[in-house]
Amino acid sequence: DAGVTQSPTHLIKTRGQQVTLRCSPKSGHDTVSWYQQALGQGPQFIFQYYEEEERQRGNFPDRFSGHQFPNYSSELNVNALLLGDSALYLCASSPETGLGAGDGYTFGSGTRLTVV
Amino acid sequence: DAKTTQPPSMDCAEGRAANLPCNHSTISGNEYVYWYRQIHSQGPQYIIHGLKNNETNEMASLIITEDRKSSTLILPHATLRDTAVYYCIVRGYNTNAGKSTFGDGTTLTVKP
Repeated sequence: DAGVTQSPTHLIKTRGQQVTLRCSPKSGHDTVSWYQQALGQGPQFIFQYYEEEERQRGNFPDRFSGHQFPNYSSELNVNALLLGDSALYLCASSPETGLGAGDGYTFGSGTRLTVV
Repeated sequence: DAKTTQPPSMDCAEGRAANLPCNHSTISGNEYVYWYRQIHSQGPQYIIHGLKNNETNEMASLIITEDRKSSTLILPHATLRDTAVYYCIVRGYNTNAGKSTFGDGTTLTVKP
């Protein structure tokens, strides 16, 4: 049973460019959350998707947008990249109901984005 | 979600118990305490969670004070592989609550 899969694992972009990161949730999970983790800091919540809709959003500008597909996979898009967008971007999936063992949240290993 | 306060770093000798404290004085009645850890270059990994009773699983024990304003994660016999950043967060149990608010965590270094 595959866990959360994120692609690519590493990415280098230039200031002003746009980037798309991808996440495939764990089997049986239908909710996807995205987090940004700057070096030396804890993950910061960007937004959460459920039923192809953005359900909650953290304190991030509109340059950050997302999408969820019918198969529950998700994309994070960042426009007009800034140097400060350099970070590890984490995807976490969870079931909407029936948490089962643990807390239901499963994180991927992230995409390391470097903006130069 | 309530905020948490953790010491930035701690050391522990291999084979000894590691006790990681967390303050969450603004926790509300329906919020749970969750602990995660993050090993370098990986995503956070769930460890344990609790509401008000002490909890134990195969990885750790969680002690929550009676007033629920603080908790302690206990790794009973720390190994070198337990070196990681440990995060204490509080949030509602229902996944509809959505986001988790992470602080900067405690960097635990287990030494031989």
